[in-house]
Amino acid sequence: AQSVTQPDIHITVSEGASLELRCNYSYGATPYLFWYVQSPGQGLQLLLKYFSGDTLVQGIKGFEAEFKRSQSSFNLRKPSVHWSDAAEYFCAVEDYKLSFGAGTTVTVRA
Amino acid sequence: EAQVTQNPRYLITVTGKKLTVTCSQNMNHEYMSWYRQDPGLGLRQIYYSMNVEVTDKGDVPEGYKVSRKEKRNFPLILESPSPNQTSLYFCASSLNRGGVTDTQYFGPGTRLTVL
Repeated sequence: AQSVTQPDIHITVSEGASLELRCNYSYGATPYLFWYVQSPGQGLQLLLKYFSGDTLVQGIKGFEAEFKRSQSSFNLRKPSVHWSDAAEYFCAVEDYKLSFGAGTTVTVRA
Repeated sequence: EAQVTQNPRYLITVTGKKLTVTCSQNMNHEYMSWYRQDPGLGLRQIYYSMNVEVTDKGDVPEGYKVSRKEKRNFPLILESPSPNQTSLYFCASSLNRGGVTDTQYFGPGTRLTVL
């Protein structure tokens, strides 16, 4: 069965600094991978997704993610963080259903 | 506006009192799903539905029921709620499954407290 691990429970980053969130998956076939963001009190919003092709995926809000099959990873990055990026981020892998990681909470300090 | 709506958004109830959380989507999506979100556990799927009258268990179905009598609605039923069902619940929908994965759209969430 597929599974997703997000090793970092909480990350604090300064505004303007770069951000990288880690995601490792376990899945036998070619994975379909997603990153979602949940702002406080809100539902989940899709940031980006990877199905196939180019391993560097661009998403909304200036985020990108890189799929590395050899490392079973799909890390999320943003070059310069804004205060509005403070949220919880979920990585997910899909077979016939979505399986989510436990999430990483991002705090942005001024 | 394309959206998934859930009602109520907040609910406090007592053990054993049956309740229903409604979910409705206006995008003509075939696939609908319910998740619960708990700290440190992420989102776990409760039930999903591939189409009208087709439902199946997810990872944590115990204590829940669903029905899919029409395409747009997918209510979640707790016939005898217990405190361990205190959680944040999300409904989601996507266009179709058909062997091809699709973006899921999430509702705003329902925060349920069972005393």
